[in-house]
Amino acid sequence: DIVLTQSPGTLSLFPGERAALSCRASQSVRNNYLAWYQQRPGQAPRLLIYDASIRATGIPDRFSGSGSGTDFTLTISRLEPEDFAVYYCQQSGTASLTFGGGTKLEI
Amino acid sequence: QVQLVQSGAEVRKPGATVKVSCKTSGYIFTNNYLHWLRQAPGQGLEWMGWIIPNTGAISYAQKFQGRLTVTKDTSITTVYMELSSLTSDDTALYYCARDGGKTRGEEFFDFWGQGTLVTVSS
Repeated sequence: DIVLTQSPGTLSLFPGERAALSCRASQSVRNNYLAWYQQRPGQAPRLLIYDASIRATGIPDRFSGSGSGTDFTLTISRLEPEDFAVYYCQQSGTASLTFGGGTKLEI
Repeated sequence: QVQLVQSGAEVRKPGATVKVSCKTSGYIFTNNYLHWLRQAPGQGLEWMGWIIPNTGAISYAQKFQGRLTVTKDTSITTVYMELSSLTSDDTALYYCARDGGKTRGEEFFDFWGQGTLVTVSS
């Protein structure tokens, strides 16, 4: 299985600041099949980015994804209060789908 | 609009079996894989398996081989997840999710059910 390591575990920022969340894979993710999700407390995860850099329908353009191979980044350009949540990366480069451990974005 | 509505919370004793349903609507049922995932309390997300509604083909994570069964009923656009030999480690929120990918191997989850809490306790 591909192991995804997210860093930092917790990121403390203020509204209006820029956030950069990292997801590193234990081996290259085929075709950069890497997705990002946001999960607010008590809610199901919400798809933000797929195929490393494609924004899902309805996702604001302050969210962007980049990277390839083993290193991927989710960037939130200007944090809004509703962006403080937990973020997960997920890969489907192999038949066994795996998630990172998550990054908690807090004020 | 696409909706996935899951069955209600369940409580089971260790060693028992649980079956959770996921009723889909708002899209063509046979066009997208359906996945099952879970999230233990305070923990991250774990993929369990998928089913292809068109063919009934399935794939399970190695960890759940032998005790996970995913089925579908096309007539009512519903998928089911059955997990047997439950232990306290299976206490979690179980989600169904639709696959938004267009090609085999491009698997991500674009719509999610609301989650079903399964509690395993003696």
